[in-house]
Amino acid sequence: DSGVTQTPKHLITATGQRVTLRCSPRSGDLSVYWYQQSLDQGLQFLIHYYNGEERAKGNILERFSAQQFPDLHSELNLSSLELGDSALYFCASSLSGGAWDEQFFGPGTRLTVL
Amino acid sequence: DQQVKQNSPSLSVQEGRISILNCDYTNSMFDYFLWYKKYPAEGPTFLISISSIKDKNEDGRFTVFLNKSAKHLSLHIVPSQPGDSAVYFCAASARTGANNLFFGTGTRLTVIP
Repeated sequence: DSGVTQTPKHLITATGQRVTLRCSPRSGDLSVYWYQQSLDQGLQFLIHYYNGEERAKGNILERFSAQQFPDLHSELNLSSLELGDSALYFCASSLSGGAWDEQFFGPGTRLTVL
Repeated sequence: DQQVKQNSPSLSVQEGRISILNCDYTNSMFDYFLWYKKYPAEGPTFLISISSIKDKNEDGRFTVFLNKSAKHLSLHIVPSQPGDSAVYFCAASARTGANNLFFGTGTRLTVIP
């Protein structure tokens, strides 16, 4: 158990809908990262938040947005969903977000768009 | 544009033998490399890392080798055990930039008892 929790574990929805994925980092960690793993692909970095502020952005679509709240939990919002958005979404946390920080991953949320 | 590549989707090894997992990268700015292990229904867990100032890092049964000129790294597991059966991801980062990781597509290792 990494100490990072993600809810829900599974989500099935239809095209055009909007969903919110939630992540609670390990106690004491200030950084949260979101990654997307599509079928047979590696994890693709989406976005990094540190202590409530956006730190870095990867290949995140404009239909996707994220935020980190004062209690440090984070939410990833996916809107106007398409079939291709079906994937595993992982959240990771680290102590400070510095270059040497180990990232601890949650178990992921499996999103299926029908 | 896959900057970190793992060209072998799967690998099977007999228990007790050596497992060698390979990884190539294209971005010369990468200076920190990691291996993650992933079991089904779990997130990746950190296994071992290496900085670009080293060419080898060892931790118990796990050794990572880095060949910067070839932009290649490998993970050696010896001796392999059935509990090592998992998907292994290679990852890299450029620590002068954001601390996000670039992952390979993974290699599924099966250790046969």
